[in-house]
Amino acid sequence: GAVVSQHPSRVICKSGTSVKIECRSLDFQATTMFWYRQFPKQSLMLMATSNEGSKATYEQGVEKDKFLINHASLTLSTLTVTSAHPEDSSFYICSAKWPGGSTGELFFGEGSRLTVL
Amino acid sequence: GENVEQHPSTLSVQEGDSAVIKCTYSDSASNYFPWYKQELGKGPQLIIDIRSNVGEKKDQRIAVTLNKTAKHFSLHITETQPEDSAVYFCAARPLNFGNEKLTFGTGTRLTIIP
Repeated sequence: GAVVSQHPSRVICKSGTSVKIECRSLDFQATTMFWYRQFPKQSLMLMATSNEGSKATYEQGVEKDKFLINHASLTLSTLTVTSAHPEDSSFYICSAKWPGGSTGELFFGEGSRLTVL
Repeated sequence: GENVEQHPSTLSVQEGDSAVIKCTYSDSASNYFPWYKQELGKGPQLIIDIRSNVGEKKDQRIAVTLNKTAKHFSLHITETQPEDSAVYFCAARPLNFGNEKLTFGTGTRLTIIP
C-alpha cells in the first residue's frame, strides 16, 4: 500500500515549549491529510482536516491556536503543538488520502508519541 | 453525525480458530467501511475495506460482510495466527467528495492464544 511517514516517532519536551510533527506522503500526492489524537487504549479522535494550500478545518473542541496545522505542499503536512503542557501528551497520528480511485482510501503514518514533562 | 459501535472490546481466540468482530453504524449515508489493524505503538494499517454495493469481500484469511439494511458489518479472520494479535478498528464514512472524515469504532483488542 501507499506509504505515509511521520517524524519524529517519539518526542519528549518541557512544558511551555513547542513541538512540530511532520507527516509526509512518500509515493503519492495528498491534497488532503488528517490529524488524529489517540489516548491509551482508546480510539482515534479526529482533530483536523488539512487541505493543501488552504486553512485547516478543525473539529469541535480542538483549539486552533494550540494545534497549528500547515499543509504547504502536496506531500507534507505539519502539526505544531504550541506551548505544550502535560495534558497534551498523547499519540498523534496523521493520515493521507489516496488521490486515485473512487474511495480515496486513507493511509496512516506510524504515529508520534509526545510526552510533555 | 455518524456513530460507530464496535463489539467486543476484547477477544481471545485459540490459535487456528476464527475471530469475528462486529460493528454497527447509524448514518445511512455511509457507504465505505474500512478495517484497520493497529499494533502496539504503531499507526493503523488498512487490512480490508468494503463498499456498500457489495455484501462480502474476502482476502485470504480475512473477510468482511456488510448488511446495509441492518447497518452492520463484520470482520472475520480465519485460521488465526499469533501475528494476528493487535487492536482492530472498524470505520465508516460517506464516499462523496468533500466529506471524507472517517468515524472509527472503539476498537477490539484481539489476542491469539498459542
